[in-house]
Amino acid sequence: ETGVTQTPRHLVMGMTNKKSLKCEQHLGHNAMYWYKQSAKKPLELMFVYSLEERVENNSVPSRFSPECPNSSHLFLHLHTLQPEDSALYLCASSQDLRGLPAFFGQGTRLTVV
Amino acid sequence: AQSVAQPEDQVNVAEGNPLTVKCTYSVSGNPYLFWYVQYPNRGLQFLLKYITGDNLVKGSYGFEAEFNKSQTSFHLKKPSALVSDSALYFCAVRAIVFTGTASKLTFGTGTRLQVTL
Repeated sequence: ETGVTQTPRHLVMGMTNKKSLKCEQHLGHNAMYWYKQSAKKPLELMFVYSLEERVENNSVPSRFSPECPNSSHLFLHLHTLQPEDSALYLCASSQDLRGLPAFFGQGTRLTVV
Repeated sequence: AQSVAQPEDQVNVAEGNPLTVKCTYSVSGNPYLFWYVQYPNRGLQFLLKYITGDNLVKGSYGFEAEFNKSQTSFHLKKPSALVSDSALYFCAVRAIVFTGTASKLTFGTGTRLQVTL
């Protein structure tokens, strides 16, 4: 275990549904990240939070909405997704924006039907 | 722009034989280099990193990687493969000079390592 926990592990949702992915870390890290992992593609960095403030948004569609209520929790709110959004969504954390390596959660396998 | 190339989608090795998983990178300035491993239904786990110092870096589970600046490579190696090493391996790079744009860690597409008896 890396200390980063993601729930749920698997999620199937329709295109009109609204759901949320949750990430939790108790490592005392100040930076948290959402990545999208699709087959045969590099990991795509979606969002970065530092001290609960969003510092990066890599041209992610607005149907993905992140939320970081405190430095230990990160959410990814999903609504009106498309089938091509089906992927493994990975959360990661690091000591701060400079500190590496990042520690990853086990991911949420999302299927949009 | 940073980039990472992992030229092999899959590497097949017999147990007990040495293994190499290739990685080349492109980055402005000196790099931080990383290897991560992903077992089935798991997130990425950190294996090892190169920042400065010896070009041969030792990491978890008997893995090591050799940094070659002239060839801009950071190949992952293990002297004797185990069946349990079968997994997806990702190489990643970030510039040492922090530009303030988060920790722009750029990943490769991954190489699947299959170790057979």
